[in-house]
Amino acid sequence: NAGVMQNPRHLVRRRGQEARLRCSPMKGHSHVYWYRQLPEEGLKFMVYLQKENIIDESGMPKERFSAEFPKEGPSILRIQQVVRGDSAAYFCASSPRVRGETQYFGPGTRLLVL
Amino acid sequence: TQLLEQSPQFLSIQEGENLTVYCNSSSVFSSLQWYRQEPGEGPVLLVTVVTGGEVKKLKRLTFQFGDARKDSSLHITAAQPGDTGLYLCAGANAGGTSYGKLTFGQGTILTVHP
Repeated sequence: NAGVMQNPRHLVRRRGQEARLRCSPMKGHSHVYWYRQLPEEGLKFMVYLQKENIIDESGMPKERFSAEFPKEGPSILRIQQVVRGDSAAYFCASSPRVRGETQYFGPGTRLLVL
Repeated sequence: TQLLEQSPQFLSIQEGENLTVYCNSSSVFSSLQWYRQEPGEGPVLLVTVVTGGEVKKLKRLTFQFGDARKDSSLHITAAQPGDTGLYLCAGANAGGTSYGKLTFGQGTILTVHP
């Protein structure tokens, strides 16, 4: 059973460009979570999605960030007009149950904004 | 806002020594998860504790969840160089609109010297 998959593993963007990060949850999991790990900081929750629904986006910056989890295909975290402060590791996790008590993480996407 | 205080932040010990990592909060969690993260990789789940007072053992690792489900500890017996890494605790929200998200501690960087 394949684990959570994320791509790309590394992404380099110039300021003002868009970044698209993809996450495929574990087979049978319908709940996806995105977390951000800034340098020298812990993981911070960003957003929780189920298929076609955003359940909790309380950790998402109000501007430039969006997330979706369509009926078909991977979950996408989109960052528009990236700035240097967006440089971080972005992790996706998935869980099979509603309460998400056990979450399994992907390898992450390291975003570097030049 | 829920907070999870993890200590110590850094731990450097000799092979064969014992150690304990603590996670404390004033908030109640429905469960608490411990992860280990290697550089450049995502967090890998070690254990989930759910019941107050629960103790789980994983070889030389012993995990305990506090009776009130506000704190947890990780004890490693006879540490080995292979135990070196970043250890993270994460609490799952007990309910409400944010029941899907994990609150992470700051992490403990463990170095075990041969």
